[in-house]
Amino acid sequence: QKEVEQNSGPLSVPEGAIASLNCTYSDRGSQSFFWYRQYSGKSPELIMSIYSNGDKEDGRFTAQLNKASQYVSLLIRDSQPSDSATYLCAVPDNQGGKLIFGQGTELSVKP
Amino acid sequence: GAVVSQHPSRVICKSGTSVKIECRSLDFQATTMFWYRQFPKQSLMLMATSNEGSKATYEQGVEKDKFLINHASLTLSTLTVTSAHPEDSSFYICSALGQGGSGYTFGSGTRLTVV
Repeated sequence: QKEVEQNSGPLSVPEGAIASLNCTYSDRGSQSFFWYRQYSGKSPELIMSIYSNGDKEDGRFTAQLNKASQYVSLLIRDSQPSDSATYLCAVPDNQGGKLIFGQGTELSVKP
Repeated sequence: GAVVSQHPSRVICKSGTSVKIECRSLDFQATTMFWYRQFPKQSLMLMATSNEGSKATYEQGVEKDKFLINHASLTLSTLTVTSAHPEDSSFYICSALGQGGSGYTFGSGTRLTVV
């Protein structure tokens, strides 16, 4: 069974700080990696996707991928209270394409 | 961007009745639809995968006779919870995978409460 692991948190950071969310995956052959944000009672929304080793930046968000270490992270700069949510790491199964989700990390940004 | 319309957003039903949840891809063709269930404070758990025109593939432990999935067209998939019981109360979410690497698009979810 392919696995995706995240620290469940909660992770609490002060407003304006950098929030760092981490994810490891078991399938060395994985090629695509996704970060979703989920507010309570809502459906997940895509924040970032990353396919190549290194960093990918989009506004305040930076995804980092290290395939050798099977590790993908999400950095949120200048964290805002509106960033408070659960962040889900997801990796597609190479057989059929179903997304395998980590257990999610709950982020709380304190004003 | 791609949109998946999921209905109803919220439903309350009596124990023993059936509930149908619909997911429609509005501006793209969904070759594959994934159905997830999410209990409070837990992550999404995949229930089944359906491809247009073929039988759904259910994950281990998911009763196919209880959770009926139909994917009769490239724009519509339905999940029917039959003979619902209180333990089926959960948040159900669909996710469509379009053609040509268009990625995964999630529906807005259905909150089911069985009383």
